[in-house]
Amino acid sequence: EAQVTQNPRYLITVTGKKLTVTCSQNMNHEYMSWYRQDPGLGLRQIYYSMNVEVTDKGDVPEGYKVSRKEKRNFPLILESPSPNQTSLYFCASSPYGRSPDPRLFFGSGTQLSVL
Amino acid sequence: AQKITQTQPGMFVQEKEAVTLDCTYDTSDPSYGLFWYKQPSSGEMIFLIYQGSYDQQNATEGRYSLNFQKARKSANLVISASQLGDSAMYFCAMSLQSGGYQKVTFGTGTKLQVIP
Repeated sequence: EAQVTQNPRYLITVTGKKLTVTCSQNMNHEYMSWYRQDPGLGLRQIYYSMNVEVTDKGDVPEGYKVSRKEKRNFPLILESPSPNQTSLYFCASSPYGRSPDPRLFFGSGTQLSVL
Repeated sequence: AQKITQTQPGMFVQEKEAVTLDCTYDTSDPSYGLFWYKQPSSGEMIFLIYQGSYDQQNATEGRYSLNFQKARKSANLVISASQLGDSAMYFCAMSLQSGGYQKVTFGTGTKLQVIP
């Protein structure tokens, strides 16, 4: 089944404790991205990647890191989480230029709470 | 910079009635794509419909249609014959593919509630 797998689904942590949210897709998509969703603000892009070893900042990259060492994986790293990073996070992928319909395929989301 | 505007934070519609969710966009790029996603209370993001900027006809997917008015830069979602299961948050989004990158921008969403 074609899917984007995101883990964990829920995460509670404390300020300053490094964490990683994993994201993996099995559709051979070049494009992957991370979003955070906050009430009243919609989804805002954190980082995106056009291909292996190619990443770039989105609209709200501060406090986050990403890496794209393999095409299928795109982990989101919070080196020192703070309470303002409490949010619902989504990973997404798309076929980009290989399809005339470049819709995003989303993971199931990670609800992160930073205490 | 591109921008998506959804001016309706919340809406109510009677079951079986049609409803229009508004979306306006702003970009100077001639090539772009417009999407609508549905987010039910369970949280997942569900793709509904897509319209390319060069598409001549409005996109339709079952009960969903996208009213694309390029000159007005609007991409409203029309849901016909509303069902209770349509109660959800709806997001409009725009995708730009230019210079070897893809940038996707979302609106703030509209919460639709269908009344029996």
